[in-house]
Amino acid sequence: KNQVEQSPQSLIILEGKNCTLQCNYTVSPFSNLRWYKQDTGRGPVSLTIMTFSENTKSNGRYTATLDADTKQSSLHITASQLSDSASYICVVSRPTGTASKLTFGTGTRLQVTL
Amino acid sequence: AAGVIQSPRHLIKEKRETATLKCYPIPRHDTVYWYQQGPGQDPQFLISFYEKMQSDKGSIPDRFSAQQFSDYHSELNMSSLELGDSALYFCASSLDRGANSPLHFGNGTRLTVT
Repeated sequence: KNQVEQSPQSLIILEGKNCTLQCNYTVSPFSNLRWYKQDTGRGPVSLTIMTFSENTKSNGRYTATLDADTKQSSLHITASQLSDSASYICVVSRPTGTASKLTFGTGTRLQVTL
Repeated sequence: AAGVIQSPRHLIKEKRETATLKCYPIPRHDTVYWYQQGPGQDPQFLISFYEKMQSDKGSIPDRFSAQQFSDYHSELNMSSLELGDSALYFCASSLDRGANSPLHFGNGTRLTVT
């Protein structure tokens, strides 16, 4: 069972609409949670990084929330644009002293249409 | 702003051949990570380097080797290529190896083994 579960697996929305992506994790202990945007065939681009003590962080039209008690995070996209079409990956890090101990979710594929 | 540069962008090799992938981290970043991403899969950590020394090792096959050079660029050497090695290979860099350090990914090298 994947330690980082994302839902929905895919999502289609109209341009201008808002959407929320979910991430549930069981990784423990926990250091931080990251959201990445990955365009097809390109490298993931960091959107937000949240540590245990943070429960919300914004980056433009992207707002991430974190509930470390329930081990849940969400990524809210406001006023979606066609360029938001991509995979959104939730990544959880363990405090092992190196950033390489990352557990990747399998992503939510978002498609924004006219 | 300068990003992580990977070369080549695409590479086609035959079974049993060798391949060398190169990664140039963001200036002043001393930590490099290599990931392998199969079609529709999440990235799998291969290996990382900090200050030119191997820092951590993941699911890297014995047929692969990597190193980080004095200018901090890194090369992933792959020998006796197999069909299953076909994937996107990402390099990421960070300013240090702390667990909360942001990772900056390159756009990857797409390796196709025929």
